[in-house]
Amino acid sequence: SQQGEEDPQALSIQEGENATMNCSYKTSINNLQWYRQNSGRGLVHLILIRSNEREKHSGRLRVTLDTSKKSSSLLITASRAADTASYFCATPFVRQLTFGSGTQLTVLP
Amino acid sequence: DGGITQSPKYLFRKEGQNVTLSCEQNLNHDAMYWYRQDPGQGLRLIYYSQIVNDFQKGDIAEGYSVSREKKESFPLTVTSAQKNPTAFYLCASKTSEAGTDTQYFGPGTRLTVL
Repeated sequence: SQQGEEDPQALSIQEGENATMNCSYKTSINNLQWYRQNSGRGLVHLILIRSNEREKHSGRLRVTLDTSKKSSSLLITASRAADTASYFCATPFVRQLTFGSGTQLTVLP
Repeated sequence: DGGITQSPKYLFRKEGQNVTLSCEQNLNHDAMYWYRQDPGQGLRLIYYSQIVNDFQKGDIAEGYSVSREKKESFPLTVTSAQKNPTAFYLCASKTSEAGTDTQYFGPGTRLTVL
């Protein structure tokens, strides 16, 4: 099954800095989603970008999608300690979502 | 207060026992999903259901069973045939409206085999 893969696996930054995470996937998609998971909790949907969109913003989040490279990036600007979490990209595949292994983001105060 | 709930939050199982994890949603969603998450890893699909009284195996269904007798409920049973069940289990739901892929997740159940 197709699957997104995030890069890097772990990222540690200082509060106030920007964090960038990347996702690569294997086959054509209609959309790509990003989710956040705080430690020991469920996933929370952050943003969805459709295949005909190149960039999308939501608050401090900016997502880009390059369908020719089969890749997406998630940028979190002006990071806060509360942004510490794992971030997953997800792509739809035959009535399912397939998730990557995630990027663990740590924002140091 | 709409949402998706899972219980219990923590569950301990002795080897050879079956245990059932509860998942309930009041979002009026048709589709429901069960995922397994191991430490530091992504989610793997166990079972999913698009509609009441129907469900399909996901990538790692062996040792698990489900039922979907009501729209609101999708319980997962971890049977003794599952050799390594210690993991974090997540339930999710989704509307069946065309073009909508966003899933809504419960808080999870952490299962530990003693």
